[in-house]
Amino acid sequence: AQSVSQHNHHVILSEAASLELGCNYSYGGTVNLFWYVQYPGQHLQLLLKYFSGDPLVKGIKGFEAEFIKSKFSFNLRKPSVQWSDTAEYFCALPSGNTGKLIFGQGTTLQVKP
Amino acid sequence: GAGVSQSPSNKVTEKGKDVELRCDPISGHTALYWYRQRLGQGLEFLIYFQGNSAPDKSGLPSDRFSAERTGESVSTLTIQRTQQEDSAVYLCASSSRGEWNEQFFGPGTRLTVL
Repeated sequence: AQSVSQHNHHVILSEAASLELGCNYSYGGTVNLFWYVQYPGQHLQLLLKYFSGDPLVKGIKGFEAEFIKSKFSFNLRKPSVQWSDTAEYFCALPSGNTGKLIFGQGTTLQVKP
Repeated sequence: GAGVSQSPSNKVTEKGKDVELRCDPISGHTALYWYRQRLGQGLEFLIYFQGNSAPDKSGLPSDRFSAERTGESVSTLTIQRTQQEDSAVYLCASSSRGEWNEQFFGPGTRLTVL
């Protein structure tokens, strides 16, 4: 069965620190992957997506993620976080021919000013 | 433009009562999804609608849960005889045709069953 796991449940960083949030998936076929973010009081919104091609994907607000097929990973990175990056981050895998999303459990990021 | 809207934003009900949650997708989006997020857990898929095709109900946790969608417009999720374990945030998302397209999420309905 397809699954997504996020190792870090709660991450606390100081501003300007580098960020890497782990995401591993379980699926043997062609993979597409998303990172969604939910800022406090706001809707879930797409941060970035991988469909095919360049495994290094750039998203909004300086975030990027690297798809490593051999490691079944799609980790999210940002070289220097800001207080405004405080949010919950979800890795997601579209499944089947409906595109229904299988989500990881989410990582809460708290950035201290 | 208008995003996905959901109502009510909060719903408190007593165990055993029925509840109905509403989702208005983005105009023109043919695909509509319902998910739920229980406290401390990730989002779980519930049901998917695509145009006039038969819905994918594979995520509905029990026969107390049902959903309808008229054409490509509003959807309602109904939970009958609510139980405390139904307490969660229920999220609706819509996307344009194509299973790999971005899903746009609504603000959710927070359901509390006492």
